Amino acid sequence: RKEVEQDPGPFNVPEGATVAFNCTYSNSASQSFFWYRQDCRKEPKLLMSVYSSGNEDGRFTAQLNRASQYISLLIRDSKLSDSATYLCVVNPDTGRRALTFGSGTRLQVQP
Amino acid sequence: EPEVTQTPSHQVTQMGQEVILRCVPISNHLYFYWYRQILGQKVEFLVSFYNNEISEKSEIFDDQFSVERPDGSNFTLKIRSTKLEDSAMYFCAGGKGANQPQHFGDGTRLSIL
Repeated sequence: RKEVEQDPGPFNVPEGATVAFNCTYSNSASQSFFWYRQDCRKEPKLLMSVYSSGNEDGRFTAQLNRASQYISLLIRDSKLSDSATYLCVVNPDTGRRALTFGSGTRLQVQP
Repeated sequence: EPEVTQTPSHQVTQMGQEVILRCVPISNHLYFYWYRQILGQKVEFLVSFYNNEISEKSEIFDDQFSVERPDGSNFTLKIRSTKLEDSAMYFCAGGKGANQPQHFGDGTRLSIL
């Protein structure tokens, strides 16, 4: 089983749509969780950290389900500028600092 | 907003040559990292650096790789004898704490011929 697994997509949605991505992780001891976005051939940029209680930042909502070991990202009112690859990222162990990246889910928002 | 800066943006090198990739982290970061991303693949961890020493490294980070932060500013990744399979984007990242988000530089594209 992959350490961090994501549906590669692509998700093609119209502007204004709501879209959700899920991600599963294999290490139950994982401590920190993040969503990053990556535009083509650019660096990963932090979108948001994911907390156990769930958190929201504008149109973006992240949820963590430790029992099922999955993380979700919900994007409301999609904009053209949301088109990117969304990376699920996990710090797998308190003793480690390395981030483990999923392969990413590609989102294409269409006019 | 402070940024992690990397130079060069693109490096083309003959196989077997040495390359040094440079990074200037954000000034109040304490933890520093190198990651790489082969075209079409996921981002992979190489090495983490804290308190002037390597704190963790992956299997990719073999004897051909080394890192240093000699002047407390630049953080460098050296590949001693490059191979074709070293062709990738190399990202430097930094963070304030061990489990804090990491902020990435805009990367160096390394092309080995």
